[in-house]
Amino acid sequence: QVQLQESGPGLVKPSQTLSLTCTVSGGSIISGGYSWSWIRQHPGKGLEWIGYVSNSGSAIYNPSLKSRLNISIDTSKNHFSLRLSSVTAADTAVYYCARRGWSGSYQEYYFDYWGQGTLVTVSS
Amino acid sequence: QSVLTQPPSMSAAPGQRVTISCFGGTSNIGYNYVSWYQHLPGTAPKLLIYDNNKRPSGIPDRFSGSKSGTSATLDITGLQTGDEADYYCAAWDISLSGPVLFGGGTKLTVL
Repeated sequence: QVQLQESGPGLVKPSQTLSLTCTVSGGSIISGGYSWSWIRQHPGKGLEWIGYVSNSGSAIYNPSLKSRLNISIDTSKNHFSLRLSSVTAADTAVYYCARRGWSGSYQEYYFDYWGQGTLVTVSS
Repeated sequence: QSVLTQPPSMSAAPGQRVTISCFGGTSNIGYNYVSWYQHLPGTAPKLLIYDNNKRPSGIPDRFSGSKSGTSATLDITGLQTGDEADYYCAAWDISLSGPVLFGGGTKLTVL
């Protein structure tokens, strides 16, 4: 059973960089053609897709965050990471990592495994 | 404001049926598959429906999905108190908004 677990600081100061890691267990991050995603939920709001990275390292980002965002993968550690720069209070949210499905020959249009989420608060 | 529109809240009694709608456009729901997720606060969201109407293994057949044009629906029959949660639709989008869009979520209360 694949499991995802987010980790990182729960408090980040404004203008600094938010850094989170998602560790994948129960399977190799490079197996198949899965891509690995970050999704967030602002307090009291719905889900917002942030971006994802393939197991080859290519990434696709939400256009609204693209200029501040970097998502990378470390296959040696079986984890992938999120870095969001120049954060403001508007970046306060619960951050989830998730796996995009893979059919065996093409990427699927759903997220089949999710982490529990980690709350990141941006405040001085 | 989400591009995929869901009713913010719905309620029904145990044993009843509820239908949650998700309205989108030609560049998302009208073009790609829809998935649905169940989210209980403090837990990992769970995939309920994928490819418009398919259920992952372990999801009871009380949950079903459908799509027509630029809208999709999630049906839950035989409501149980454990179904009380937030429900989100999602679809990939081929416009600059994308590529992944979520609905604003529907909070389902089982009275």
